[in-house]
Amino acid sequence: TQLLEQSPQFLSIQEGENLTVYCNSSSVFSSLQWYRQEPGEGPVLLVTVVTGGEVKKLKRLTFQFGDARKDSSLHITAAQPGDTGLYLCAGGWWGQNFVFGPGTRLSVLP
Amino acid sequence: SQTIHQWPATLVQPVGSPLSLECTVEGTSNPNLYWYRQAAGRGLQLLFYSVGIGQISSEVPQNLSASRPQDRQFILSSKKLLLSDSGFYLCAWSDYTGSGEQYFGPGTRLTVT
Repeated sequence: TQLLEQSPQFLSIQEGENLTVYCNSSSVFSSLQWYRQEPGEGPVLLVTVVTGGEVKKLKRLTFQFGDARKDSSLHITAAQPGDTGLYLCAGGWWGQNFVFGPGTRLSVLP
Repeated sequence: SQTIHQWPATLVQPVGSPLSLECTVEGTSNPNLYWYRQAAGRGLQLLFYSVGIGQISSEVPQNLSASRPQDRQFILSSKKLLLSDSGFYLCAWSDYTGSGEQYFGPGTRLTVT
C-alpha cells in the first residue's frame, strides 16, 4: 500500500514570511499532484509534476519533485492571508488510483 | 469547460435514516468518478470509484454504497445512517487517461444526529 506523509501537520506564520511544506513516501510515483483546499470547499488542483527533479512555478509557489520521484516540496514566497488553507499532495501511477496525504494546514496571519 | 455539481450542500439526518447524495459532471465524456469522505481538518478517504456505467469499486467496507446509472452521474447511498457517517463528502472526476489529476465538486456536509 502506498502511503504519503506530509509535514508539518500545522503551520502558522506571519504575512510576508517564506515557508516550505513536504510530501514524502517510500514509493516511487509516476506523477504527483498538489491541491489547496479552503474550509467548506473541495480541493483545487494546483500542479502536477511527473519528471524526477522537475521544478514548476505558479506565481509565488514553487513545486519540486524529488529526483527519485518519491517526494515533493512546496515553497511559498512572501506568504499572504489568501494562501491560508489545507495543502494536500497525491501520488500514484498512471491508470491506478492516486493516494492522498493527510495534508498541511497553513494559516497566514495578517 | 468541465463542471462538477454536488447536492445537497448540507444535510442533517437522524441515525437510521436513508441517504442519497448526487454528483453530476458536465463537459466531459467517460470520466472516472470518485467519492471521498473527509473528517474535520483531515485528508481524504477514498470510498468508491467508477471507470464506467455500472462499474463500481469499493475501497472501504461500510454501510454505504454507490451507483453510476449514467456516464456522468454518480450517487452515494445508505439504507441506514450511522453516527460515524457524519463528515464532508466529496465527489471528483478525472479523465480516462489515468493522469491522476482530479477535479472536485463543492462537497456535501453531512451531520447524522
